[in-house]
Amino acid sequence: DTAVSQTPKYLVTQMGNDKSIKCEQNLGHDTMYWYKQDSKKFLKIMFSYNNKELIINETVPNRFSPKSPDKAHLNLHINSLELGDSAVYFCASRNDRGYNSPLHFGNGTRLTVT
Amino acid sequence: AQSVTQPDIHITVSEGASLELRCNYSYGATPYLFWYVQSPGQGLQLLLKYFSGDTLVQGIKGFEAEFKRSQSSFNLRKPSVHWSDAAEYFCAVDLYGGATNKLIFGTGTLLAVQP
Repeated sequence: DTAVSQTPKYLVTQMGNDKSIKCEQNLGHDTMYWYKQDSKKFLKIMFSYNNKELIINETVPNRFSPKSPDKAHLNLHINSLELGDSAVYFCASRNDRGYNSPLHFGNGTRLTVT
Repeated sequence: AQSVTQPDIHITVSEGASLELRCNYSYGATPYLFWYVQSPGQGLQLLLKYFSGDTLVQGIKGFEAEFKRSQSSFNLRKPSVHWSDAAEYFCAVDLYGGATNKLIFGTGTLLAVQP
């Protein structure tokens, strides 16, 4: 009955590789997000999609490309990984039919780039 | 620019003692405010939220928070802390509305609970 699920939970890879993180939500929400949490626990929004349409695109390198095949899924693909990409990436969703409804978070994907 | 400040990076309290975690925001309009908790290796869980109305809001796990417009604050409180409350706590403000809103987080406060 997991609401927002991300895979994988851990991802260890070398610099220069390309990797993807998948996210799925079964809450029927319209909007999904990717957040990055750095080593100091600071959470910063990266992207937001509403009904498969890109809504928010913060200042994120072009190496990061979100893909939303349907409103229940928002995947994150990262090309040419760099050491600075090491972080925990959180997927989240919210129901925008409810006015300013809270975010529901996945458990995160810890990405380590060596 | 809109921002959220949590002045305390790390707080230690004894089990059974009261707790107050501070949060200040900088935002021109009436903000929509949230407190989230993150346990180690977990995602963020919503504790409570303030949109409008009564400025004292109740949340899960015995937490409450009070919105004070004059102080631009939304401090989180709990009268008696349990060891299981040890976690990272994040205050957040919701900017804009509808599909273009985004949650801006403070830097977090790490709560340690002594037996």
